[in-house]
Amino acid sequence: KNEVEQSPQNLTAQEGEFITINCSYSVGISALHWLQQHPGGGIVSLFMLSSGKKKHGRLIATINIQEKHSSLHITASHPRDSAVYICAVRPIIQGAQKLVFGQGTRLTINP
Amino acid sequence: ETGVTQTPRHLVMGMTNKKSLKCEQHLGHNAMYWYKQSAKKPLELMFVYNFKEQTENNSVPSRFSPECPNSSHLFLHLHTLQPEDSALYLCASSQGLGLAAEAFFGQGTRLTVV
Repeated sequence: KNEVEQSPQNLTAQEGEFITINCSYSVGISALHWLQQHPGGGIVSLFMLSSGKKKHGRLIATINIQEKHSSLHITASHPRDSAVYICAVRPIIQGAQKLVFGQGTRLTINP
Repeated sequence: ETGVTQTPRHLVMGMTNKKSLKCEQHLGHNAMYWYKQSAKKPLELMFVYNFKEQTENNSVPSRFSPECPNSSHLFLHLHTLQPEDSALYLCASSQGLGLAAEAFFGQGTRLTVV
C-alpha cells in the first residue's frame, strides 16, 4: 500500500462542474503539495499546505492534519483544467528532503 | 515556464549508448533533484544535491550517474541502460531542503531505451 493514496484515479466531468480530488496519507508530514502535470510531462506546483486552506483563482486546497487527508477542489471547471493532479507529502520521519508522491488523478473536462 | 529547463525533451537510445540529460535552473536555488516517472507509477526520487553535494541516492543503479558541477546545473549520465529504464525523467530545484522548501519542476525528458 502506498503511503499516499489518491482518489479517484480517473475523473471525467462536463465543463462547469465542481471537481474534488482527494488525497489520504499514512505518515506524519511537514507539508503537502498539490501538483499539476500536463500531457507534455511538465509539472507545475499548485499549492503547498501545512494546515487549513488555500485558494488561488478557481482552485482551493484544504488539509486536515488530524485525519491525514487533503482535498483539491476546482470550481467552474474548464477543458484547460484537464491534466493529471498529483498529491505529494514531505514525511517528517524520512527527513525534509524527500517527497512521497501519490499515483495521480487523471482529470478530463469535456466541453 | 517554471525556471527549470531540461534538455533534451525526448531521447531514444540503444542499450549500448552513452547519453546525458541536462537540467538548468535560473531561480537561484541551491538544491536540485532527479525524479523518475514510469508509466502508471508514482514519481520516484533518484538523487538530491544540495550546494553541489549529493545528499541522497535512493538506491539507484550505477548505470545512472549524476553530476552537479554548480548549484544551477545538474546532469544525469546514462550508460548501458535497459528497456525498463524507459520513463519520464524530471528535474526539480528548491531553495534549500527545509520543511517549507517548494520544488519547481522542469518539463522532463522522455527517455526510450530500445
